[in-house]
Amino acid sequence: EVQLVESGGGLVQPGGSLRLSCAASGFTFSDYSMNWVRQAPGKGLDLVAHISTGSDSMFYADSVKGRFTISRDNAKNSLYLQMNSLTTDDTAIYYCARSFGYQEYWGQGALVTVSS
Amino acid sequence: EVVMTQSPATLSVSPGESATLSCRASQSVNINVAWYQQKPGQAPRLLIYRASTRATGISARFSGSGSGTDFTLTISSLQSEDFAVYYCQQSNNWPWTFGQGTKVEIK
Repeated sequence: EVQLVESGGGLVQPGGSLRLSCAASGFTFSDYSMNWVRQAPGKGLDLVAHISTGSDSMFYADSVKGRFTISRDNAKNSLYLQMNSLTTDDTAIYYCARSFGYQEYWGQGALVTVSS
Repeated sequence: EVVMTQSPATLSVSPGESATLSCRASQSVNINVAWYQQKPGQAPRLLIYRASTRATGISARFSGSGSGTDFTLTISSLQSEDFAVYYCQQSNNWPWTFGQGTKVEIK
């Protein structure tokens, strides 16, 4: 069974940093591209960042470019999102997703709240 | 950026009836469109990919069609568990973008 479990969410002040993790199991992690998708409270879905299987390609939404960094450790079956210079607009549930372009499997999400 | 526009925003349907949801892309995205279902408090679930291919385990009551800029998700004989928000997403051009969602509610 494919499982994706996010962790690392929480409350952070504006300007602060947070690192999200996503633990993958039930499939060969290194064979799949991965994404982070976020959903602000009561809003729709936004694809934040994408990473290829071997980390040779990463793409970012303009809204997070230069502030967020996606990475992965295939040996640990883990995906990460380093978030710096956070603003209140970054408040959202962050989902990791296994990707073929479309998001095939999703984690349950990690809530990130940016507030003073 | 490709803008995905879904209509209507809300669709009121009686159980047993069918529902037709639309998604229009601001430029051609070929068949690189997926549809998702999201219920309150849950992560989205993939229903359809490549415009018309049902994901694993998805009921045949869900069908997708379209290519280029116009796409449709049809749900036949709506069941209680189908009342949810539905999103389309294109993966033809980065940044991959979602529509704003269509809420299917009980009439």
